[in-house]
Amino acid sequence: RKEVEQDPGPFNVPEGATVAFNCTYSNSASQSFFWYRQDCRKEPKLLMSVYSSGNEDGRFTAQLNRASQYISLLIRDSKLSDSATYLCVAPRLSSGSARQLTFGSGTQLTVLP
Amino acid sequence: ETGVTQSPTHLIKTRGQQVTLRCSSQSGHNTVSWYQQALGQGPQFIFQYYREEENGRGNFPPRFSGLQFPNYSSELNVNALELDDSALYLCASSHSLSGGAGTQYFGPGTRLTVL
Repeated sequence: RKEVEQDPGPFNVPEGATVAFNCTYSNSASQSFFWYRQDCRKEPKLLMSVYSSGNEDGRFTAQLNRASQYISLLIRDSKLSDSATYLCVAPRLSSGSARQLTFGSGTQLTVLP
Repeated sequence: ETGVTQSPTHLIKTRGQQVTLRCSSQSGHNTVSWYQQALGQGPQFIFQYYREEENGRGNFPPRFSGLQFPNYSSELNVNALELDDSALYLCASSHSLSGGAGTQYFGPGTRLTVL
């Protein structure tokens, strides 16, 4: 089982729609989680952090359910510019004392006009 | 932009060759992490360097090696290239050992193609 698993997508939604992505993680020791956004052929960029039950930033809401080891990202009022791949991330300690980012495979979103 | 730069942007090599990728970290950052991202996958952690020492390693063979220099820039070296090494190689710089995702800044990546 992968440490971080996401809905494979792709999601194709019309402008203005609400869309939700799900992510599950296997390392119960993970304390914080993140959603990154990656545009085609670009580097990942941090979208949101999730440290407790949830976090909201404008049209974006991230929620965490520790009991179910489940994270979600909700995007309301989708814009064309939201089209990207969304990566779920759970940091963990690797060998040594490095804190590595463990990424899911990503969920591709296309917002259609 | 993050201030993290990588070179070259693209590279084509053949199987068995060796390659060196370079990363300049953001000013003031002392930790560099390297990731490999295959097509259609999320980035996979290769290793992390802190103060010129390898500080942690993912599930990659020894032919993947690295260096960090006194100015905190870093190199990733891959020997005996294999076709499966074709990927986007990303470096991320951060300020401390904690390297929390919120403070890891990614460079634009080097796209390596192995023929």
